[in-house]
Amino acid sequence: EDQVTQSPEALRLQEGESSSLNCSYTVSGLRGLFWYRQDPGKGPEFLFTLYSAGEEKEKERLKATLTKKESFLHITAPKPEDSATYLCAVQFNNAGNMLTFGGGTRLMVKP
Amino acid sequence: ETGVTQSPTHLIKTRGQQVTLRCSSQSGHNTVSWYQQALGQGPQFIFQYYREEENGRGNFPPRFSGLQFPNYSSELNVNALELDDSALYLCASSPTPSSYEQYFGPGTRLTVT
Repeated sequence: EDQVTQSPEALRLQEGESSSLNCSYTVSGLRGLFWYRQDPGKGPEFLFTLYSAGEEKEKERLKATLTKKESFLHITAPKPEDSATYLCAVQFNNAGNMLTFGGGTRLMVKP
Repeated sequence: ETGVTQSPTHLIKTRGQQVTLRCSSQSGHNTVSWYQQALGQGPQFIFQYYREEENGRGNFPPRFSGLQFPNYSSELNVNALELDDSALYLCASSPTPSSYEQYFGPGTRLTVT
């Protein structure tokens, strides 16, 4: 069964303290990997799509990278407004564009 | 460009009742997917609709059913509600079933008592 695992489950950072979130997936044919941001009680907001190993995408303080078995979301000098749950989702080759999500990482950035 | 909208925002139902949730897809998108997100967990795929037909289904029982209309809007129906059905129900639209990106609505918070 195709699975997506995110770690850590929760992360507390001080403002300006850089860190990385991890997303690992079972290797059964990756069609695409997606990062979303979700604020409490709201729908996921699309951040990045990664298609192949070695690919990198950046947006403001966020940078997403992809290897053959995992992806990292690097947060550089975070601010309190970066506090949210970050979700990783994968499309596998045998499942159309259905998204398989990880459990998410709840990020809290303190001033 | 209008994004994905969902209604109602939240509702409370009693165990055994039936509920209908609604979704309007983003302009130009003909594919709608529904996801269930329990508190503290990632979303789980329920099913997808394309051209008014079910186009894939996750591991959910038949009491979860749906419809898609000619204007691409969609409904999720849940019969015989159970306490475990309490969750945030998310609708996502995409231009086609093979499109990579899906764009999510704000969700409907369902509480079953």
